Amino acid sequence: KNEVEQSPQNLTAQEGEFITINCSYSVGISALHWLQQHPGGGIVSLFMLSSGKKKHGRLIATINIQEKHSSLHITASHPRDSAVYICAPFGGATNKLIFGTGTLLAVQP
Amino acid sequence: KAGVTQTPRYLIKTRGQQVTLSCSPISGHRSVSWYQQTPGQGLQFLFEYFSETQRNKGNFPGRFSGRQFSNSRSEMNVSTLELGDSALYLCASSLAGGRYNSPLHFGNGTRLTVT
Repeated sequence: KNEVEQSPQNLTAQEGEFITINCSYSVGISALHWLQQHPGGGIVSLFMLSSGKKKHGRLIATINIQEKHSSLHITASHPRDSAVYICAPFGGATNKLIFGTGTLLAVQP
Repeated sequence: KAGVTQTPRYLIKTRGQQVTLSCSPISGHRSVSWYQQTPGQGLQFLFEYFSETQRNKGNFPGRFSGRQFSNSRSEMNVSTLELGDSALYLCASSLAGGRYNSPLHFGNGTRLTVT
């Protein structure tokens, strides 16, 4: 079983829809990163959180440390949100990032 | 403030050769970490350097090595290239390496093709 599981793997949405991407992990962590990768490779860090909830514009990230689960929400989705979203917990014992397989999101106009 | 710069952007090498990739972090960042991304394995952690010392290492063979200079710029080297080393290599800089309150800033990557 992978240490990090993301769901769904692929997601197609209509512009304006509310989107949720889930991440479950099995290791102890000190922080969890949500990353966005557009075609061409560049990765942008969206959030880093170790508890609770963070909001940035239309994006919201939550984490439940006890349940080892995090979610990324996109409100009022837009075609420019089309990208791969990657959950990356930072292992508390290993002190290194481990990566989910990513969620490929396509938002259609 | 300049972002993380990786050079070169693209590289084509043949099997058996060696390659050196460079990463210049954001000014003031002392941590540089390296990652390999392939279609089959996804993103994997290679190693992290902090203040010129390797602080952590992933599960890669000894052909993969790196170093960090006093100005925090980092290089990674792959010797005796294999076809399976074809990948996008990304580096990221941060104040404290992705732990606690230390976001990561990624470069655009170097796409290495081994023929």
